[in-house]
Amino acid sequence: DAKTTQPTSMDCAEGRAANLPCNHSTISGNEYVYWYRQIHSQGPQYIIHGLKNNETNEMASLIITEDRKSSTLILPHATLRDTAVYYCIVRVTGANSKLTFGKGITLSVRP
Amino acid sequence: NAGVMQNPRHLVRRRGQEARLRCSPMKGHSHVYWYRQLPEEGLKFMVYLQKENIIDESGMPKERFSAEFPKEGPSILRIQQVVRGDSAAYFCASSPKGEQPQHFGDGTRLSIL
Repeated sequence: DAKTTQPTSMDCAEGRAANLPCNHSTISGNEYVYWYRQIHSQGPQYIIHGLKNNETNEMASLIITEDRKSSTLILPHATLRDTAVYYCIVRVTGANSKLTFGKGITLSVRP
Repeated sequence: NAGVMQNPRHLVRRRGQEARLRCSPMKGHSHVYWYRQLPEEGLKFMVYLQKENIIDESGMPKERFSAEFPKEGPSILRIQQVVRGDSAAYFCASSPKGEQPQHFGDGTRLSIL
């Protein structure tokens, strides 16, 4: 699976949008971009995934650049409960493949 | 719809004992994955099972660790003759099909005395 690069940490104000970047310059055509988050002492939580089109669900939006070499996870109205480590992962399509977690980005939402 | 259930949440063992960690996948999910998170480290894949079959065990230590997912009942991760270095959080995830998103349980925290 392709490697991803994320900043170590970022913060944002409560109620504002949080934009979390991810670089995956070596991504292959059959690899999806997945986002998970891990709130302290809990298991990872699935957020969203996409191949090349932008995606939106009740939790977040995923914006993937046209060349697919980077993406941004957007939490439209961050709350204190969104403070967590966010993982950007690329995963081969259709394969029964594992998730390869990196160090992720620590998002701190401040009041 | 209940999520992935792991038990126990916390397990304490002495060196040399056996540890059994259980995982009940979400209803309708027949694919199970186990991951380990050592203190201050990221999650690492251990093994992937699909009802009675081990599909990928490339992340499993060669000795003392085994996993099963019987036709009936939960998936079990078994660690024999535990050592201090086995202290970690062990997470289980499940999916309905291998290529679909995995959903995680809240883990078992294993502590070795």
